[in-house]
Amino acid sequence: DIQMTQSPSSLSASVGDRVTITCRASQTIGTYLNWYQQKPGKTPKLLIYAASSLQSGVPSRFSGSGSGTDFTLTISSLQPEDFATYYCQQSYSTPQTFGQGTKVEIK
Amino acid sequence: EVQLVESGGGLVQPGGSLRLSCAASGFTFRSYTMNWVRQAPGKGLEWVSYISSSSSTIYYAASVKGRFTISRDNAKNSLYLQMNSLRDEDTAVYYCARTYYYDSSGYYEAKYYFDYWGQGTLVTVSS
Repeated sequence: DIQMTQSPSSLSASVGDRVTITCRASQTIGTYLNWYQQKPGKTPKLLIYAASSLQSGVPSRFSGSGSGTDFTLTISSLQPEDFATYYCQQSYSTPQTFGQGTKVEIK
Repeated sequence: EVQLVESGGGLVQPGGSLRLSCAASGFTFRSYTMNWVRQAPGKGLEWVSYISSSSSTIYYAASVKGRFTISRDNAKNSLYLQMNSLRDEDTAVYYCARTYYYDSSGYYEAKYYFDYWGQGTLVTVSS
């Protein structure tokens, strides 16, 4: 199975900060990488698919990059509603797997 | 409006069984592949099982293979998860999630994400 490792596991940031979350795959997965946001008590919401494609309706402050084994989710200017947990997901092979999550907290 | 509504969760003793259901509406259910994903309390997301639109292809996570059975009834717009031999570590919120394929070209089997999720049903395995 492909292991997905996110870093950091958690971070504290202030409104307006630039935030970067990294996801590393245990083997190459091309660009078959998605990013989700989950708020407490809510279901995951797709932000980015195919490593860098912004899902319709998602603010442009979110962006994704990377290919192969290393991927990044960037929030260019953190907003109050962005405090949540973020997960990467590889769809390259079955079983598809999620990263362990990165919790973004208020500083 | 797409809706996925899970039911069937509850408290069960280790070794027991439960059957989860997911009622789908607002889209052509028979045209979509579906999944079960779970989330243990305070933990991350874990994919559990996948079923193709015609039920011809089924996959399971290693952690549940041989104990869980996914199925669907396209006439009833419903997805199911039969869970047997339940363990403490199966305690989680179970979500049904729809697969969306964003590109039908090339290695299309990998070009997907989960676009709609149900609100989840809590399964607690405890004596």
